[in-house]
Amino acid sequence: QVQLVQSGAEVKKPGASVKVSCKVSGYTLTELSMHWVRQAPGKGLEWMGGFDPEDGETIYAQKFQGRVTMTEDTSTDTAYMELSSLRSEDTAVYYCANSGSYYEFDYWGQGTLVTVSS
Amino acid sequence: DIQMTQSPSTLSASVGDRVTITCRASQSISSWLAWYQQKPGKAPKLLIYKASSLESGVPSRFSGSGSGTEFTLTISSLQPDDFATYYCQQYNSRALTFGGGTKVEIK
Repeated sequence: QVQLVQSGAEVKKPGASVKVSCKVSGYTLTELSMHWVRQAPGKGLEWMGGFDPEDGETIYAQKFQGRVTMTEDTSTDTAYMELSSLRSEDTAVYYCANSGSYYEFDYWGQGTLVTVSS
Repeated sequence: DIQMTQSPSTLSASVGDRVTITCRASQSISSWLAWYQQKPGKAPKLLIYKASSLESGVPSRFSGSGSGTEFTLTISSLQPDDFATYYCQQYNSRALTFGGGTKVEIK
């Protein structure tokens, strides 16, 4: 059974960067395709990007291109999502999620609240 | 990007009711659609993938149908545990997108 455990809540000032981690257990990170999805308070789900096994690359939603970086440390089975140039609109819960065979998200982390406030 | 439009945005129903939620894609996505249930303060839970395949462990009262641009999620007999928000998500293109959500409330 896959378990995804994320790092704790963060409070950041506008213009700063945040790096959220997602620790995998039950499987190795190389067996998974990790994606990141966020949810602003009271709003819907928004896909940010993730690993596409078809071409072995990380793909990003156009909205976040140039501002987000998704990396993996296979030695510790931990995935990371770093978002830079934070603004108040980036206040949200950030989830890591595994993409299954048809790009559906079958396993999710518990979420990490990132608050951007001056 | 492909836009996903869910309707209704809110639905009031009673225990035992048959409930149907619709999701429309701005262009054909074949059968590459998933449905999720989300409760307050929790991560989403996968219910249906590939438009009509039931995820392991999900009760059989949930079903999905459709292809192309129009899809439905049906709950055959609403249970107390089913009051939640439901989202569709397309993955036919490399730009994955979610619908805006449908909140199922107690009538």
